[in-house]
Amino acid sequence: SYELTQPPSVSVSPGQTARITCSGDELPKQYVYWYQQKPGQAPVMLIYKDSERPSGIPERFSGSSSGTTVTLTISGVQAEDEADYYCQSGDSSGFYVVFGGGTKLTV
Amino acid sequence: EVQLVESGGGLVQPGGSLRLSCAASGFIFSTYWMGWVRQAPGKGLEWVANIKQDGSEKYYVDSVKGRFTISRDNAKNSLYLQMNRLRAEDTGVYYCARVDQGNGMDVWGQGTAVTVSS
Repeated sequence: SYELTQPPSVSVSPGQTARITCSGDELPKQYVYWYQQKPGQAPVMLIYKDSERPSGIPERFSGSSSGTTVTLTISGVQAEDEADYYCQSGDSSGFYVVFGGGTKLTV
Repeated sequence: EVQLVESGGGLVQPGGSLRLSCAASGFIFSTYWMGWVRQAPGKGLEWVANIKQDGSEKYYVDSVKGRFTISRDNAKNSLYLQMNRLRAEDTGVYYCARVDQGNGMDVWGQGTAVTVSS
């Protein structure tokens, strides 16, 4: 089955830039979405279609892609950004959804 | 306000059944794909199933095929997940989500907890 690979954890100091990667063979052909989940809360969409930001999401969150790897970049990390982050995409058909294993961001 | 509210979770014995519901409001429900995502305790997100606007297409993760059925009632603005032959590994929080922007999930409910245990 298709898998997306994320690092289990990333640690940064406040004000620094955090980069969270997500790798998968189908990523050049399928859009990627990013979610933030804080303890006890539902996930929130941060990025859609690789690099677009929904309304209300701060500009410090951005997405980029290069081949089979996509990256979520958080510029000027704040303490409130400490959370779990998940990438999501589809398999080659586009109909089956897959999530990455998640990355715990520690600030 | 766009909102999804799940209900129907609870404690069930292995082999039992449960039906989850998701009530949608604040948007035209019949124009969106919808889906279910679950999260086992202390684990990551796992997609469970998606359903097309008119219910004509349904897709499931392999681990629930033949046991779970996703359905919807557009007249009632409601999404459902019928779960049969439940296993301990089905334990977790189940989220209802609106599918938009391709295959992304832009609106999520607060989740309903399912525990499969004897």
